[in-house]
Amino acid sequence: DTAVSQTPKYLVTQMGNDKSIKCEQNLGHDTMYWYKQDSKKFLKIMFSYNNKELIINETVPNRFSPKSPDKAHLNLHINSLELGDSAVYFCASSSTRPGELFFGEGSRLTVL
Amino acid sequence: AQSVTQPDIHITVSEGASLELRCNYSYGATPYLFWYVQSPGQGLQLLLKYFSGDTLVQGIKGFEAEFKRSQSSFNLRKPSVHWSDAAEYFCAVGARDGNKLVFGAGTILRVKS
Repeated sequence: DTAVSQTPKYLVTQMGNDKSIKCEQNLGHDTMYWYKQDSKKFLKIMFSYNNKELIINETVPNRFSPKSPDKAHLNLHINSLELGDSAVYFCASSSTRPGELFFGEGSRLTVL
Repeated sequence: AQSVTQPDIHITVSEGASLELRCNYSYGATPYLFWYVQSPGQGLQLLLKYFSGDTLVQGIKGFEAEFKRSQSSFNLRKPSVHWSDAAEYFCAVGARDGNKLVFGAGTILRVKS
């Protein structure tokens, strides 16, 4: 039983397209996150939701729009994809103890 | 602002040898500190954490880390490395008032037999 699952695992698309990545967690956690890992493996937080409410919104282009329909799901929609958006996007969740994150396996986005 | 420095990009150790991965952090108060491990093609997994109390913390897979406030360090250690420990290791710091983690750039561990 996968705790944090993301789909798709791989995504190859052209510049200018719009794409979405979905995330679901079955751990009962209230908080979910999107992290971006670039080609140098540098991992940076993008967004965080607590019980469907946006609580962290880092300096991310507004082409990126997260949506949390319920506390078990956090999706990421990206408009007008650019080459620099190529990265691995990780979804994570946590309970009440800060920083104890459970990560999904990542979604590798390649923009051509 | 919080920051984390992992000075070693790559480390190679022989199987059975001891390991120490370095981590230095910058934060104005006592932070929460973490080590995560990432195997190829996988997400990150929490190895251990420091919130307060005993400065030597034990984690999974035989890892431990020591918080040294005077040196702003949180180095990860293992007395005897196994080939399955080959992975990338990330140190992270978090504020006590929130969930935002700041990660270091990672250290790739290679294990030679």
